[in-house]
Amino acid sequence: AQTVTQSQPEMSVQEAETVTLSCTYDTSESNYYLFWYKQPPSRQMILVIRQEAYKQQNATENRFSVNFQKAAKSFSLKISDSQLGDTAMYFCAFRSPDGGATNKLIFGTGTLLAVQP
Amino acid sequence: AAGVIQSPRHLIKEKRETATLKCYPIPRHDTVYWYQQGPGQDPQFLISFYEKMQSDKGSIPDRFSAQQFSDYHSELNMSSLELGDSALYFCASSSLMAGLYGYTFGSGTRLTVV
Repeated sequence: AQTVTQSQPEMSVQEAETVTLSCTYDTSESNYYLFWYKQPPSRQMILVIRQEAYKQQNATENRFSVNFQKAAKSFSLKISDSQLGDTAMYFCAFRSPDGGATNKLIFGTGTLLAVQP
Repeated sequence: AAGVIQSPRHLIKEKRETATLKCYPIPRHDTVYWYQQGPGQDPQFLISFYEKMQSDKGSIPDRFSAQQFSDYHSELNMSSLELGDSALYFCASSSLMAGLYGYTFGSGTRLTVV
């Protein structure tokens, strides 16, 4: 079974600085999808960035980028120029490829990020 | 753009009562997922439906049941409620071949059992 591990329960960063959140996963599949979701105090689940395992190029969305290391099964999130609005719980998630037995998202336990003014 | 609609947003029930949560997916999405998120926890998969048939089942208690209707909306029925059922319940929708696009989540229903 697939598992997702986030080893940093909490992190803090100063406004305008850069922070990296870690995520590792375990799977025997060769293709799959990885996601980072943000959950602010409103508890809404917001998709931040996504990556397909077959694509070697790291995904980037404005200030958010990932470092995807397939061999190491690592999928870290880098937030540049941190803003107060980035304060939230961040979940790393794994999804099997389409057509499989399940398309459910498997979440890590989350990292609570606090951006300090 | 239309989003996933969940109702109600908040619900307070007493122990042993019954609750029904509703989810209206994005138009043309054929798959619905239900997740339960306890306080300070990550979302846990409960159940999913594709084309009105159950497609996958997770850690859903026997006291809970769910279905997807002909208009693709889904309902999660929870009976004999316990204090431990207090949580945020998310619904998400996708097309089955959503691939990289993943899910779209609703805003959740916050259930409090007293």
